[in-house]
Amino acid sequence: QKEVEQNSGPLSVPEGAIASLNCTYSDRGSQSFFWYRQYSGKSPELIMFIYSNGDKEDGRFTAQLNKASQYVSLLIRDSQPSDSATYLCAVPPGGSYIPTFGRGTSLIVHP
Amino acid sequence: EPEVTQTPSHQVTQMGQEVILRCVPISNHLYFYWYRQILGQKVEFLVSFYNNEISEKSEIFDDQFSVERPDGSNFTLKIRSTKLEDSAMYFCASSVPGPLDQAQHFGDGTRLSIL
Repeated sequence: QKEVEQNSGPLSVPEGAIASLNCTYSDRGSQSFFWYRQYSGKSPELIMFIYSNGDKEDGRFTAQLNKASQYVSLLIRDSQPSDSATYLCAVPPGGSYIPTFGRGTSLIVHP
Repeated sequence: EPEVTQTPSHQVTQMGQEVILRCVPISNHLYFYWYRQILGQKVEFLVSFYNNEISEKSEIFDDQFSVERPDGSNFTLKIRSTKLEDSAMYFCASSVPGPLDQAQHFGDGTRLSIL
């Protein structure tokens, strides 16, 4: 069973701070890594993907991948109350294109 | 921006009844998926569909479930005889082929309530 683990939170940060969300995965063969945002009662929305070790930046979001340690993280700079949501890490096992989703980390950005 | 659309948004059905959930994937996407999410739990993969056939399915997708692409735009999930535990949000997703083919775009979901 390929696992994707996330701390369920909630992670509470003040507005303007950096929110750091972490995810570990069990399959060393995984090659692609996705972060989805899910507002309560809504569908997952893709916000970032990363394939290579290192950092990938897109606006206020930075994804960080460390394949040797089997973790992927998402940093949200200048956090806004509108960023309050559950962030899902999704990792397809090696050889598959079907992602295994983590339980998600609930982020609360308070004014 | 193109989006995946799902109907109905909410379906209430008596246990034992058949239900059909409908999806219109993004038009240039070739891979289609169904997921479910029981309240408060993980998003779980049910089935993927490519080139008019099932390409992968999970252990959840048993004989009670079937998928169909009846025409060039719709993609449906049928549950033959619903059980209480089928109550969940059902999400349809689609993706393009190529290096980003694992980046899936989700519809708004159908909330299925079994009474």
